[in-house]
Amino acid sequence: DIQMTQSPSSLSASVGDRVTITCRASQSITNYLNWYQQKPGKAPKLLIYGASSLQSGVPSRFSGSGSGTDFTLTISSLQPEDFATYCCQQSFSTPHTFGQGTKLEIK
Amino acid sequence: QLQLQESGPGLVKPSETLSLSCTVSGGSISSSTYFWAWIRQPPGKGLEWIGSIYYSGSAYYSPSLRSRVTISLDTSKNRFSLKLTSVTAADTAVYYCARRGGGSGSLDFWGQGTLVTVSS
Repeated sequence: DIQMTQSPSSLSASVGDRVTITCRASQSITNYLNWYQQKPGKAPKLLIYGASSLQSGVPSRFSGSGSGTDFTLTISSLQPEDFATYCCQQSFSTPHTFGQGTKLEIK
Repeated sequence: QLQLQESGPGLVKPSETLSLSCTVSGGSISSSTYFWAWIRQPPGKGLEWIGSIYYSGSAYYSPSLRSRVTISLDTSKNRFSLKLTSVTAADTAVYYCARRGGGSGSLDFWGQGTLVTVSS
């Protein structure tokens, strides 16, 4: 299985801050990397697919980059509704493993 | 708008079989463009990919669950199902069904999730 490692596991930030979350794969996954946002009691929501493509309806303050083994999710200016848990997933090979998640909290 | 809805028992006894269905509305599971997936999340923990199935019936499973899991399609009812045998407390989780895009492989539509507790 491909292991996905996210950092940090938790993060405190303020409204308006720029935030970056990192995801590293245990082997190359080219650009088969997806990012999800999950709020308590809710299903995950797709934000970014193919490492850098913004899912329809997702605000442009969210962006993704990277290829191979190292990827980042950036939120350019945090909004109150962005405080949630973020998770990466590789879809290069089955099983399509997830990272352990990064909980973004209000400072 | 595509919608997915999980259904099934919320409580399963240890050693028994967990059975869930996911009914899809607003789209066809017979489309050659998509896969249909199951994912679970134990309380307070991260997401775990269980497996997915293509319209042809070809299924792919997590190696850690392969010996116990079956995913199947029911095209007449536009739904797909999950069976997990010999469950233990470790299988207690919120179970989600989702649509997997054929290109990127991302999970673009999700059900709301259903909590399944394994307990006697």
